[in-house]
Amino acid sequence: NAGVTQTPKFQVLKTGQSMTLQCAQDMNHNSMYWYRQDPGMGLRLIYYSASEGTTDKGEVPNGYNVSRLNKREFSLRLESAAPSQTSVYFCASRKDGLLYGYTFGSGTRLTVV
Amino acid sequence: AQSVSQHNHHVILSEAASLELGCNYSYGGTVNLFWYVQYPGQHLQLLLKYFSGDPLVKGIKGFEAEFIKSKFSFNLRKPSVQWSDTAEYFCAVIPMNTGFQKLVFGTGTRLLVSP
Repeated sequence: NAGVTQTPKFQVLKTGQSMTLQCAQDMNHNSMYWYRQDPGMGLRLIYYSASEGTTDKGEVPNGYNVSRLNKREFSLRLESAAPSQTSVYFCASRKDGLLYGYTFGSGTRLTVV
Repeated sequence: AQSVSQHNHHVILSEAASLELGCNYSYGGTVNLFWYVQYPGQHLQLLLKYFSGDPLVKGIKGFEAEFIKSKFSFNLRKPSVQWSDTAEYFCAVIPMNTGFQKLVFGTGTRLLVSP
């Protein structure tokens, strides 16, 4: 089925470890996004990519880096994980144009101990 | 700061009760408006959206929302909730006058429907 695929679904890291969250979409969307979801805070935008080869900071970019590898893939990297980065991470994509909403992946639940 | 506000963080209802969840935003100009639902353990799904036209929009599963421009509001309603509506509901806005359009979420409302 077409959609947004995120891996892994669950991950436990020790403080200071690094990891990359993967996201891929097969809907030929130009725009892709990374959000984090925390209780009582909704979803906050970490980084986004308007098109292949471009990335920009969102609301909470500190401690993260991203790569838009190609049109399909948009990865999120934690270089040195901190407990404050314990969260659920959602990737999303959107087709250009005003009439289309976002398609979300199923999320990655990350715990940093 | 510009934002999206959901005033009710937790709502508890009995089955068949009516539901109204509030959403206000502080962006001027044209906005696109959305309500998303997240069922336990699942990812976000679009309930309904408003771009233009009739300010009363109908979505899936019997939900509807009304855009009141003068009040900067987009409240979600359902006449009679079911146990299966237990979920977290997020209002979201795309402000159209801020360069590249980005979806901004409210903090969410957790709805518990008791049978």
